[in-house]
Amino acid sequence: DAGVTQSPTHLIKTRGQQVTLRCSPISGHKSVSWYQQVLGQGPQFIFQYYEKEERGRGNFPDRFSARQFPNYSSELNVNALLLGDSALYLCASSLLEGRNEQYFGPGTRLTVT
Amino acid sequence: GQSLEQPSEVTAVEGAIVQINCTYQTSGFYGLSWYQQHDGGAPTFLSYNALDGLEETGRFSSFLSRSDSYGYLLLQELQMKDSASYFCAVRGSVSGGYNKLIFGAGTRLAVHP
Repeated sequence: DAGVTQSPTHLIKTRGQQVTLRCSPISGHKSVSWYQQVLGQGPQFIFQYYEKEERGRGNFPDRFSARQFPNYSSELNVNALLLGDSALYLCASSLLEGRNEQYFGPGTRLTVT
Repeated sequence: GQSLEQPSEVTAVEGAIVQINCTYQTSGFYGLSWYQQHDGGAPTFLSYNALDGLEETGRFSSFLSRSDSYGYLLLQELQMKDSASYFCAVRGSVSGGYNKLIFGAGTRLAVHP
């Protein structure tokens, strides 16, 4: 079975632009979470979606938004990009909610210039 | 709030045993997990402890003491491929999302010949 996939793998944007990152969970997994990882730090939770509903939100500004589609894939949108948004954005899926075992995708490396 | 502390770096030689400690502060406890991340790669799940004691998975073991808010990851028979960053993580409170994982800053393990 295919693992979690994310696209694109790398992205370069300029300040003020908008970006959309995509994630496809493992087949059968209904929960998708998004994390931001800055170099040298652990992943920071952004959002969790389950059955197309937002189930949790981390301490990120409203410039960050996400959604989950009927096929359980998900998009993360970031508006008005700042230099500080440069990071690795990770998507993780799990079969159900409340599972400590999450499966991470390879991430999207976003660079804001 | 919730926070985790782990050493930033650990160095060991091939064939040795290394222990990576993690202390946590959390309002409500839903288990301690460990993830491995190679440079440029995605975090991968290693182990999970919900109850006190030792969990063994091959060369890796994880221990938890809830009364001490402390856990550790034990890596035996170290191999060069074990060089990676290791993160401990606790699941956040339900109000933050059922799948919200809070990660430590990570311990970078370097295995030398």
